[in-house]
Amino acid sequence: DTAVSQTPKYLVTQMGNDKSIKCEQNLGHDTMYWYKQDSKKFLKIMFSYNNKELIINETVPNRFSPKSPDKAHLNLHINSLELGDSAVYFCASSPGQGNRELFFGEGSRLTVL
Amino acid sequence: GENVGLHLPTLSVQEGDNSIINCAYSNSASDYFIWYKQESGKGPQFIIDIRSNMDKRQGQRVTVLLNKTVKHLSLQIAATQPGDSAVYFCAENIGGYQKVTFGTGTKLQVIP
Repeated sequence: DTAVSQTPKYLVTQMGNDKSIKCEQNLGHDTMYWYKQDSKKFLKIMFSYNNKELIINETVPNRFSPKSPDKAHLNLHINSLELGDSAVYFCASSPGQGNRELFFGEGSRLTVL
Repeated sequence: GENVGLHLPTLSVQEGDNSIINCAYSNSASDYFIWYKQESGKGPQFIIDIRSNMDKRQGQRVTVLLNKTVKHLSLQIAATQPGDSAVYFCAENIGGYQKVTFGTGTKLQVIP
């Protein structure tokens, strides 16, 4: 069983389009995250949710809108895609309650043309 | 702003040798540090962690050293194997806060 799963794994789209990436974790964790990894492998946190509530929003453009329908899911919707949005997006979860180990998904590679 | 950085972007080691990957952090309030390994095409995976009340922690073939005086963290891998080839990240966290901040990564290449 995949602990943290993201779909789609690859996404190629045109500038200006709107797209979504879905994430689900079956670990029973309270906290979920979205990270963006650029071409230089730098990992930057975007959002964090704890029990469906937004905890961290790292000055991400409001074209990015996360949604957490329940604590096992954290989806990422991106409006009006730009070239600079091309990256690998990683979903992660952590147990919370003092345990800060992150469990990552396999990543979703977004290419904006 | 606060950041976690690495001294060496790429490290090449001979199979069987020991590897040392270094990391400098700047947030003195950080109390928890983690090393992650990212293989090609995969997400980062937890290797080992250390809390700020410790200066050394050992795992299987890996050791993390923490020097709070100079804000330095290192990961030592004993008897490096081809399967250790990956990008390694240090990360830091401040207690009670959800944000885990990653360093810039070091690519470890193991030469057979």
